[in-house]
This record gives sequence, structure tokens and C-alpha cells, in this order.
Amino acid sequence: GAVVSQHPSRVICKSGTSVKIECRSLDFQATTMFWYRQFPKKSLMLMATSNEGSKATYEQGVEKDKFLINHASLTLSTLTVTSAHPEDSSFYICSGAGPHFGTQYFGPGTRLLVL
Amino acid sequence: GESVGLHLPTLSVQEGDNSIINCAYSNSASDYFIWYKQESGKGPQFIIDIRSNMDKRQGQRVTVLLNKTVKHLSLQIAATQPGDSAVYFCAENWNDMRFGAGTRLTVKP
Repeated sequence: GAVVSQHPSRVICKSGTSVKIECRSLDFQATTMFWYRQFPKKSLMLMATSNEGSKATYEQGVEKDKFLINHASLTLSTLTVTSAHPEDSSFYICSGAGPHFGTQYFGPGTRLLVL
Repeated sequence: GESVGLHLPTLSVQEGDNSIINCAYSNSASDYFIWYKQESGKGPQFIIDIRSNMDKRQGQRVTVLLNKTVKHLSLQIAATQPGDSAVYFCAENWNDMRFGAGTRLTVKP
């Protein structure tokens, strides 16, 4: 149980375009979902926390107009990278707060390459 | 600010040996800790968790030890296998979770 999926798993886009990444909790309701960014050989960096039906809370230094997060239902959150640039290329991972206190279940990640 | 960090960035062990991965935390108010395993190109996987009212918790081949006096957390993996090769992260809390850089475990055949 407690499976999270992400789509797409890989995406290549041109600079200036927007990319949407979906995060779904498949067998549980995630009232809170988290979005992380990870650079090669580095730790996870929390970008934002989103609660279903309300605006996301962004970490300091994360541009909310660039990284649009929507958490419309208890099983779906989306991250849209707007006007992507090569420096946005990274591994993006989402997680959902699971049925047990404190446990986050992670998606498999989405690798974004902006040319 | 408060942070969660790891003592060693890399660890290499022989297949069949036991592995110990350490983590130091600085937020003495933290009451919940989790260990995650991340294989190359994949998202982190939950391994085991522990609450601050415990000092030891065992799972299948894994044991987490918590020493609140020195704010230290460790993950022990028994009879390490090649499939255990990954980066291991410790994390504290859930609504303000922070990860350390991770320890890369390499298992030699």
C-alpha cells in the first residue's frame, strides 16, 4: 500500500515552454503533498508543501510564479514549471503524507531536461 | 538553523557484513525520525521510522537506534546485500522535514 506515481518520468522541453508534472497517490488519500527538487549527488530540497484545496506554502527562495502547484484533490497534485530554462533541469520528486503520522511516501521522480 | 546531517558521505562494505549508517540531528524538539533509501534515478523509499519515546526499533534486517542524549540516529543493516547499495537519508518530523546529504552505501561482492 501507500503508492505514489508521477507522470511523466522523463521530459525534455525547449527553453521558454511550460511543463506539467503530475503526482498521484494511488491507494491512499494524501491530504498533504510535498514537492522536492534534487540535483545530482545532492540531497532532496523541499520546494513547497501543498494541502488539498488550499494554496501551497513555498520554501524561501522558491518562486511561486515559476513553480505553480495545484492540489485539487486528495489524490492529485501538479507542479507546473513555467517558462522553463536550462537551469530548471533537475530531478523533481513528490511525496504524499501517508496514513501513519509523519510518514511520507515518495513518487519515483520526474527528470526534466530543458534545452 | 536546525539541521539534520550525516557523519559520512560514503560507506563501502563487504557483502554479508553488517552496515552502520549514522546521522546527527540538532533539533532537540524532534520527536519522529525516518530513514529512507534512494536508489539511483528513483525516488526515496521508506525503510523504518522511530519515535523519540523509543531508543531502538527493528525491522526486517534493519535496526534503527536513537540516542537522544547526543542527538544521534543510526541505521544498522544486517548481512548487507548488493541490493542494499543506495543512498540512505535520515529525516526528522513531517511537516518540516529536512534531509541530510545522504550516505552512499556500496556493497562489494
